[in-house]
Amino acid sequence: GENVEQHPSTLSVQEGDSAVIKCTYSDSASNYFPWYKQELGKRPQLIIDIRSNVGEKKDQRIAVTLNKTAKHFSLHITETQPEDSAVYFCAAMYTQKLVFGQGTRLTINP
Amino acid sequence: GAGVSQTPSNKVTEKGKYVELRCDPISGHTALYWYRQSLGQGPEFLIYFQGTGAADDSGLPNDRFFAVRPEGSVSTLKIQRTERGDSAVYLCASSLTGTAEAFFGQGTRLTVV
Repeated sequence: GENVEQHPSTLSVQEGDSAVIKCTYSDSASNYFPWYKQELGKRPQLIIDIRSNVGEKKDQRIAVTLNKTAKHFSLHITETQPEDSAVYFCAAMYTQKLVFGQGTRLTINP
Repeated sequence: GAGVSQTPSNKVTEKGKYVELRCDPISGHTALYWYRQSLGQGPEFLIYFQGTGAADDSGLPNDRFFAVRPEGSVSTLKIQRTERGDSAVYLCASSLTGTAEAFFGQGTRLTVV
């Protein structure tokens, strides 16, 4: 069935450094890949997404890359700040439903 | 309203009781999703509506779970004979179509005691 694997489960970086979170998906027909940020006790918030017709998308300090051949996509956060600390989820769309990864708890150390 | 609204925000119920969780999607959004999120896990798909019909209910864990969306807007997730294992945060999301970005509500935290 549909499966999205996300790594690492926890990530700790120094403020100002970059953070990278990686996901793989199982269904080659998947065509939409969003990333959500979830702060403690709050709802998941969409931070960036990419569709299968592009390989990379950037929005200020956040970028996402997609490798359809290898079926993996990654989130890159540069110049990390304390407010970037949260749990990040990747997702892939299968037949109009989003399947989520298990999440990465990102901690930015001052 | 401006966003997806879920009520109640918290629900404590006794094992064996029936509960209803409500979701008000963003106005005009035809697609509506229910997810369940346990502590430390990613959202787990339950059911997807396109308009009034359930386009995909493959994530509902068993026949104690049921959801409706009679007028293509508000949706209700119904859980019969609740069990302690049903305790989780139930998230609702809506999108303009089934292929556009999905916006989540704040969730209902269900605790079965």
